[in-house]
Amino acid sequence: GDSVTQMEGPVTLSEEAFLTINCTYTATGYPSLFWYVQYPGEGLQLLLKATKADDKGSNKGFEATYRKETTSFHLEKGSVQVSDSAVYFCALSDDVGGAQKLVFGQGTRLTINP
Amino acid sequence: DTAVSQTPKYLVTQMGNDKSIKCEQNLGHDTMYWYKQDSKKFLKIMFSYNNKELIINETVPNRFSPKSPDKAHLNLHINSLELGDSAVYFCASSHSGGNQPQHFGDGTRLSIL
Repeated sequence: GDSVTQMEGPVTLSEEAFLTINCTYTATGYPSLFWYVQYPGEGLQLLLKATKADDKGSNKGFEATYRKETTSFHLEKGSVQVSDSAVYFCALSDDVGGAQKLVFGQGTRLTINP
Repeated sequence: DTAVSQTPKYLVTQMGNDKSIKCEQNLGHDTMYWYKQDSKKFLKIMFSYNNKELIINETVPNRFSPKSPDKAHLNLHINSLELGDSAVYFCASSHSGGNQPQHFGDGTRLSIL
């Protein structure tokens, strides 16, 4: 079945550092790809998405490019802030009869120190 | 203002009890979901309803029964609770279609004593 693999965490960086969180996927078709973020005590929020190969999703300084040839969707940010501390989830979606089945990676906990 | 709201936020109960979690969305979405997040933060889909019809039913014990009285509500009833049911349960909603983002509630933390 479809699956998503993220880099193991936790990841700890200093403020203004460059961030990369790796994500690769296995899928039979051409899924849409997402990054969701979960702040402590909250539900997941969509961070960005890409729906086809070579699309770049971006939001709040974060970017990720849908790479079909390497089946990857790595998350990057040029200069992180303390407020970026959260758990980040990479996910792919399968359309199942109108519903969207999200398959998540295991999540990567990011901590940014001032 | 809350887009997807779940109640209760915390649920502490004993093994063997029956409990329900309620979910409501005011976004006009036609599809709703239940997810389970375990202690290691791993998220897995349990159920999905599209226009009140059950569409996704993952490998979940039949002690778990979702009910969708209308498109804006999806409740989760759990019978004979077990220790392994302790987790955070998230409700979400979206428009139909594979590339539509899902909107999540803040979760219900279920603790079984």
